[in-house]
Amino acid sequence: KAGVTQTPRYLIKTRGQQVTLSCSPISGHRSVSWYQQTPGQGLQFLFEYFSETQRNKGNFPGRFSGRQFSNSRSEMNVSTLELGDSALYLCASSLESRGFETQYFGPGTRLLVL
Amino acid sequence: DQQVKQNSPSLSVQEGRISILNCDYTNSMFDYFLWYKKYPAEGPTFLISISSIKDKNEDGRFTVFLNKSAKHLSLHIVPSQPGDSAVYFCAARKLSGGSNYKLTFGKGTLLTVNP
Repeated sequence: KAGVTQTPRYLIKTRGQQVTLSCSPISGHRSVSWYQQTPGQGLQFLFEYFSETQRNKGNFPGRFSGRQFSNSRSEMNVSTLELGDSALYLCASSLESRGFETQYFGPGTRLLVL
Repeated sequence: DQQVKQNSPSLSVQEGRISILNCDYTNSMFDYFLWYKKYPAEGPTFLISISSIKDKNEDGRFTVFLNKSAKHLSLHIVPSQPGDSAVYFCAARKLSGGSNYKLTFGKGTLLTVNP
């Protein structure tokens, strides 16, 4: 079974631009969560989607948004990029939204904002 | 407000010895705790978990201890192996409305096991 895939793996943007990151969960998984990892803050929860609906949201500004498609693939969008948005963005999928033990992470997208 | 704290950014141990990674939390509403391991250029992988109604869970070389009164948990790795060298994240789960759960992670501890 293929794992969680994230595209692109690396991205360089400039301040003010917007970016869209993509995540393809493991086949059959309906829950997709997004996390931001920075050296100073560790792993921070962004949001979770389950069956195309946002189920949970972390404490991030409205510039961070996401969506999930009927095939469970998910995208997250960051508008008006700031230098502080430079981070590793991780996507994780699970069969259902309670199974954190069986939450599988992708390799992440490393975003650098200049 | 950091609800899950890993106060040691790094830990270095000798191969064959015990590694003890610590984690403190502040929110008594957390009902489940998990440890994840992360290698460079890879996503975190689940390692071991413990329910708040237990005080110990063991899986092979890995044991997690929970002290609810102290709001403290620890991960013991015995014996430590060089392949255990990675960043270890402590995470805690709580209900976030209805039947939805949310994970809160610590900042991670870099474990280095020296041959």
